[in-house]
Amino acid sequence: DAGITQSPRHKVTETGTPVTLRCHQTENHRYMYWYRQDPGHGLRLIHYSYGVKDTDKGEVSDGYSVSRSKTEDFLLTLESATSSQTSVYFCAIRLEQGWNTEAFFGQGTRLTVV
Amino acid sequence: DQQVKQNSPSLSVQEGRISILNCDYTNSMFDYFLWYKKYPAEGPTFLISISSIKDKNEDGRFTVFLNKSAKHLSLHIVPSQPGDSAVYFCAASAGSSNTGKLIFGQGTTLQVKP
Repeated sequence: DAGITQSPRHKVTETGTPVTLRCHQTENHRYMYWYRQDPGHGLRLIHYSYGVKDTDKGEVSDGYSVSRSKTEDFLLTLESATSSQTSVYFCAIRLEQGWNTEAFFGQGTRLTVV
Repeated sequence: DQQVKQNSPSLSVQEGRISILNCDYTNSMFDYFLWYKKYPAEGPTFLISISSIKDKNEDGRFTVFLNKSAKHLSLHIVPSQPGDSAVYFCAASAGSSNTGKLIFGQGTTLQVKP
């Protein structure tokens, strides 16, 4: 599982409330990613990080922010949750073993915004 | 605009036969392609990849074929087994950016019948 832990695994929250999802890795990988999975869309990149305090936007970053204050933790925050952010969220890390490398995913967090 | 497309939402095959999953892409900057398998309530797991300098890559029962001129790749599973029943995602990246960002297709649900 490449040492990735996502928390919480399930969360139900109300519209308008802030929510933070946590991704923790134990193997010191530089690159970390947040994706969301929705029916008909596959997985879409929200934000990614290439080091402590170094982050950038992905395809669907509106309404989300991220922080990486330590190598091992990558946090995804929904400042004011909306029903359209109901989704399954996956964190991933990249193994840097060459020019092109695979991403390995966590178990996911199922978020429901009511 | 969907840069990576899996046009078949589902596929059903008999155990022991070949499963062929297809994927098309539009961005000519993509130079690395991956297939992931996903079981319910789990994160995607890496299956096999191919670089654009190759047209075929094999790993056991799994073979990925790449046709760059057609911007098409396919995953062959031979022989198919009931445990292969899962959602399969193809993904692409532009290695020159070195960010490791992946663009996913919508996924194809494979059912292998005993």
